Amino acid sequence: DIQITQSPSSLSASVGDRVTITCRAGQSISNYLNWYQQKPGKAPKVLIYAASSLQSGVPSRFSGSGSGTDFTLTISSLQPEDFATYYCQQSYNTPYTFGQGTKLEIK
Amino acid sequence: EVQLLESGGGLIQPGGSLRLSCAASGFTLSSYAMSWVRQAPGKGLEWVSSLRPSGGTTYYADSVKGRFTISTDNSKNTLFLQMNSLRAEDTAIYYCAKTSTRSTGGCLDYWGQGTLVTVSS
Repeated sequence: DIQITQSPSSLSASVGDRVTITCRAGQSISNYLNWYQQKPGKAPKVLIYAASSLQSGVPSRFSGSGSGTDFTLTISSLQPEDFATYYCQQSYNTPYTFGQGTKLEIK
Repeated sequence: EVQLLESGGGLIQPGGSLRLSCAASGFTLSSYAMSWVRQAPGKGLEWVSSLRPSGGTTYYADSVKGRFTISTDNSKNTLFLQMNSLRAEDTAIYYCAKTSTRSTGGCLDYWGQGTLVTVSS
């Protein structure tokens, strides 16, 4: 199985801050890495697919980068609606493992 | 508009069976890979199973292999998850999700609202 290590597990930040979340895969997964946002009581929503492609309708302050084993999700300027939990997921091989999640809280 | 609507969750005793349904609209189920993902209370996301439309290849997490079966009824545009020999650790919200491609290597671009399965005596 491909292990995915996501960090940090939690993060406090202020509106307007630039925030970075990272995921590391236990082996190369090329660009088969997706990022999701989940708000309490809601289903996850895809933000970034194939490591760096912005899903339609997602604000451009979200960006993704990386390939191989190391990946990054960046929010360039936090907005109030961005406080949520974020997950990465590898879709290179089954089982399609998720990272442990990063809870982004208001400072 | 793509919509996924799960049903079939509820309270079930350990060892029991349950069948979850996911009614799809706005797209043709047979054209995309589909998945089930679960989330235990207060925990993270766990991939459970996926199905490719072409050839019907299925994939399962080790934790459910041999107990759960993913399938579709293309005439009803509905995805199913048959869950047998349920355990307390299967308690979770179960989401169905559409993959962006025919293969299972795409992202999960649409999700249902989830259905809660509680396994308890």
